[in-house]
Formats: sequence, structure tokens, C-alpha cells
Amino acid sequence: DQQVKQNSPSLSVQEGRISILNCDYTNSMFDYFLWYKKYPAEGPTFLISISSIKDKNEDGRFTVFLNKSAKHLSLHIVPSQPGDSAVYFCAASANGNKLVFGAGTILRVKS
Amino acid sequence: GAVVSQHPSWVICKSGTSVKIECRSLDFQATTMFWYRQFPKQSLMLMATSNEGSKATYEQGVEKDKFLINHASLTLSTLTVTSAHPEDSSFYICSAKGSTTDTQYFGPGTRLTVL
Repeated sequence: DQQVKQNSPSLSVQEGRISILNCDYTNSMFDYFLWYKKYPAEGPTFLISISSIKDKNEDGRFTVFLNKSAKHLSLHIVPSQPGDSAVYFCAASANGNKLVFGAGTILRVKS
Repeated sequence: GAVVSQHPSWVICKSGTSVKIECRSLDFQATTMFWYRQFPKQSLMLMATSNEGSKATYEQGVEKDKFLINHASLTLSTLTVTSAHPEDSSFYICSAKGSTTDTQYFGPGTRLTVL
């Protein structure tokens, strides 16, 4: 049973435009959500996180939105840059326990 | 801040030998470290969770006698793949988190190839 789902395997965006990556979850006990960026043959790099008590967190070009009623979160990258091209994983945890990862979305930013 | 290193970055070994992978938190104390495995084009699979000074907790289906985990200090955890076989060839990634955050910081990964 996939508790964290990233239904879009890939996304292609023009440089300068907004990238929106989506993630859905099923476990209502999740209280902490994270986004990671990953290049092939490298470990994931932490991007941004959000606690379940918030609905938005912003850090530079990255903003994460959380809709608890819909069990949905999204990562907005604006403006998108070619260097943002990578695999993006969302992850969730409950009570500080292990992270549950989505399958990832490949983002390609075209220049 | 929050830098995690792994050593070696890649290793090739013969079938039947054991391989040790080190994971270090360089600028924070990692009360909990995690070991993941990633197969090509798949997401990360959690293998085990280790708390400093305690025995590791293994996920279902992961053989604890094959994947030995030691977390002897707040900055170092090791994963030893014992009697490695070609099917153990994979990308192994560790992560670490401190006591005051739920954010895990990942190492760069170790590519293991068993011939």
C-alpha cells in the first residue's frame, strides 16, 4: 500500500516558468512533510519541509503548500532554472518516525 | 550545515566477501541514522533505523545477519554487507537526523558492485 504517491512520473517546464510538483498521501497520522531533490548516483538533497500545523512554507524559489483536508501537498519552484532538472521526492513521517517516500517525479527544465 | 558523508563512494568486491560502508555526520550529532537501498529507477527503500548505542531496527524482509549495522557514536554508523552476492549490488544511501529535528540529511551514497 503506497502511503505517499507522486502520480506524475515526469514534468517538463520552460525555463523561467513555474514548476508544480504534486504529492498525495493516505496516512492521516503524517505530521511532517519534506521535499528532496536527487541527481542520479547521488544522495537526496533536502529542499524544504512543512509541519502539519502549517499550510505554507517558503524558502527562496521554493514554496511548499499543504492541504490537510485533501491530503495533498505541492512544491512550487519559481522561476524554474535548468539546474533544477532532477528527480524530486516527497516524503512524510509521523511522530518523528521513519520517512515514507513517494516514487519521485522527474523534472526537466528546458532552456 | 547538516552535512553527511559516506565512504567509500563506490566499491567492487568478489562474491562471498564482506564490505563495510561508513556514514558520518560532519557537523551535527546524529541521534538516529537510517540506511536505504535504491534499485535503478525506483524510490529509496528503508533497510534499517539505528539509534546511537542501540541495536538497529530492521524493516521487514531485510536480513539483519546479512546487513550488520553499528551506530557506536553520535557521528558514525556503519553498514556491513556480509558474504556479499551479486544480487546485493545496489546503491546504498545513509541519512542522519539530530534529536531536535525530523529532517533527515542524506549522504552521497555508495555504489556496491558484487562480481
